[in-house]
Amino acid sequence: GQQVMQIPQYQHVQEGEDFTTYCNSSTTLSNIQWYKQRPGGHPVFLIQLVKSGEVKKQKRLTFQFGEAKKNSSLHITATQTTDVGTYFCAASNAGNNRKLIWGLGTSLAVNP
Amino acid sequence: NAGVTQTPKFQVLKTGQSMTLQCAQDMNHEYMSWYRQDPGMGLRLIHYSVGAGITDQGEVPNGYNVSRSTTEDFPLRLLSAAPSQTSVYFCASSYDSGDYEQYFGPGTRLTVT
Repeated sequence: GQQVMQIPQYQHVQEGEDFTTYCNSSTTLSNIQWYKQRPGGHPVFLIQLVKSGEVKKQKRLTFQFGEAKKNSSLHITATQTTDVGTYFCAASNAGNNRKLIWGLGTSLAVNP
Repeated sequence: NAGVTQTPKFQVLKTGQSMTLQCAQDMNHEYMSWYRQDPGMGLRLIHYSVGAGITDQGEVPNGYNVSRSTTEDFPLRLLSAAPSQTSVYFCASSYDSGDYEQYFGPGTRLTVT
């Protein structure tokens, strides 16, 4: 079945450093969503990308969707302690009953 | 709007007991789903529903039942609890399918001894 691979699994950075997490699929995706889960919390929607090559920004966060719609990335510039949590990508494919397929997440730790 | 609510927040069961995890949403969303989250396993889909009266299995449905008699409610039943069902359970809803933003409830932390 369809899988979405997310790397890295963990990332530990110093406050102020940049951070990037990647999602990759072997099949073309209809869209990709990104979520953030704070420790002890629930996933919270960040953004959805739909178009090939799409780039969206939210303050220090930059989201990209690959030209072939098979990969995506989330980049955080100058991390802060408030960025701590697990970042998940979730992809929808028109061929899988429009269910979301989730990556395993990247856990981000930030040293102050 | 309360969004997506789940009860209880915490639960301890003994092996073999049954229980129902409650989920409700007040956003008139058609699509609702249940996930379990285990360390290192991400979010795994248990069951989902595309509307009242319609349910389908996700990737890990064994040991769980669901029903969707109303748009608002989507309870998850554990038939005979097993230690392997110790997990955090999240209910989510969206306007229509996985193509749309998912709204998650706060979760139920279940321990089966």
